[in-house]
Amino acid sequence: ETGVTQTPRHLVMGMTNKKSLKCEQHLGHNAMYWYKQSAKKPLELMFVYNFKEQTENNSVPSRFSPECPNSSHLFLHLHTLQPEDSALYLCASSQDGDGSYNEQFFGPGTRLTVL
Amino acid sequence: GQNIDQPTEMTATEGAIVQINCTYQTSGFNGLFWYQQHAGEAPTFLSYNVLDGLEEKGRFSSFLSRSKGYSYLLLKELQMKDSASYLCATMDSNYQLIWGAGTKLIIKP
Repeated sequence: ETGVTQTPRHLVMGMTNKKSLKCEQHLGHNAMYWYKQSAKKPLELMFVYNFKEQTENNSVPSRFSPECPNSSHLFLHLHTLQPEDSALYLCASSQDGDGSYNEQFFGPGTRLTVL
Repeated sequence: GQNIDQPTEMTATEGAIVQINCTYQTSGFNGLFWYQQHAGEAPTFLSYNVLDGLEEKGRFSSFLSRSKGYSYLLLKELQMKDSASYLCATMDSNYQLIWGAGTKLIIKP
């Protein structure tokens, strides 16, 4: 595997379900990110982890819970979601989280539908 | 406040040239990125500008004017595979990316 991988690619869940999204990067990076992408809207940064420490939480509802056990893996735990949470969830990584040149590499995303 | 503006959609002809503009107002500035995103795929990096001027990379060029809060992405010799969304993003004072909504580029034969 190379680059940034995400599983599952597609997920349909009910509002009472609990599910987790997984992201893994094989680039030796130290920073990882979760973004939400809704149709015709800008990418919304949700969480940032730099050297396994959460450095950013952009007022994300508590029904989204991130976990970063090591620099290569990032999870997004989901519970009691709402239909408006349906979107493409993108994971990204970069060499570090506080450098001025910080190209981010993205995974293919998880297309989430909440019924 | 922070704001990135770019056109929602543009149409161009195969073989032609197209310029996609981006204007921004952000708190702090540590550079501007352009990404390409094909439908259903991950965004991929195209260019990074932090100083004023034009950066050329093959068929793609990116320009920045910090005093005007303005950038453009220039695509030459358009090919059908260039049909995609083009995302403009600036890096703020906390080194986080602030994204525009993207410009959907449609290439016609």
